[in-house]
Amino acid sequence: KAGVTQTPRYLIKTRGQQVTLSCSPISGHRSVSWYQQTPGQGLQFLFEYFSETQRNKGNFPGRFSGRQFSNSRSEMNVSTLELGDSALYLCASSLEGTGWYEQYFGPGTRLTVT
Amino acid sequence: GDSVTQMEGPVTLSEEAFLTINCTYTATGYPSLFWYVQYPGEGLQLLLKATKADDKGSNKGFEATYRKETTSFHLEKGSVQVSDSAVYFCALTGGNQGGKLIFGQGTELSVKP
Repeated sequence: KAGVTQTPRYLIKTRGQQVTLSCSPISGHRSVSWYQQTPGQGLQFLFEYFSETQRNKGNFPGRFSGRQFSNSRSEMNVSTLELGDSALYLCASSLEGTGWYEQYFGPGTRLTVT
Repeated sequence: GDSVTQMEGPVTLSEEAFLTINCTYTATGYPSLFWYVQYPGEGLQLLLKATKADDKGSNKGFEATYRKETTSFHLEKGSVQVSDSAVYFCALTGGNQGGKLIFGQGTELSVKP
């Protein structure tokens, strides 16, 4: 079974631009979560989607948004990029969105904002 | 809110040494506890988990016991190998938080031959 895939793997953007990152979960998984990883703040939860609905949201500004499609693939968008948005963005999928199910992480998208 | 605190790194050990990475948590309710490992250039992999008090999670020689009385979940391994060099993250998820994982800051482990 294929793992979680994220595209692109690396991205360089300029301040003020917007960016869209994509995540394809493991087949059959309906929950997708996004995390931001930086050296200073560590791993921080962005949001979780389950069956196309946002179930949970972290403490990030409205510039960060996401969505999930009917095939469970998810995208996150960051508008008006700032230098501080440079990070590794990780996506994780799991079978269900309630209780606890093992989350499988993708390799991440490395975003650099210049 | 819920939080996780783990010992700062980097931790440098010789091969076959004993490893302990401390992790304590603050949470309301009854969280599930996890250790994840991140190898260079890769995403996170679940190493072990414990979903209730006194549970012991174990995998690949690593162990951790869910101690509710001390709110701890320390990671241990009796004999580390060079291949264990990675960053280790302690994490929790609360009862009704679905997929939201709260992570500690991570501890970098370097094992020398």
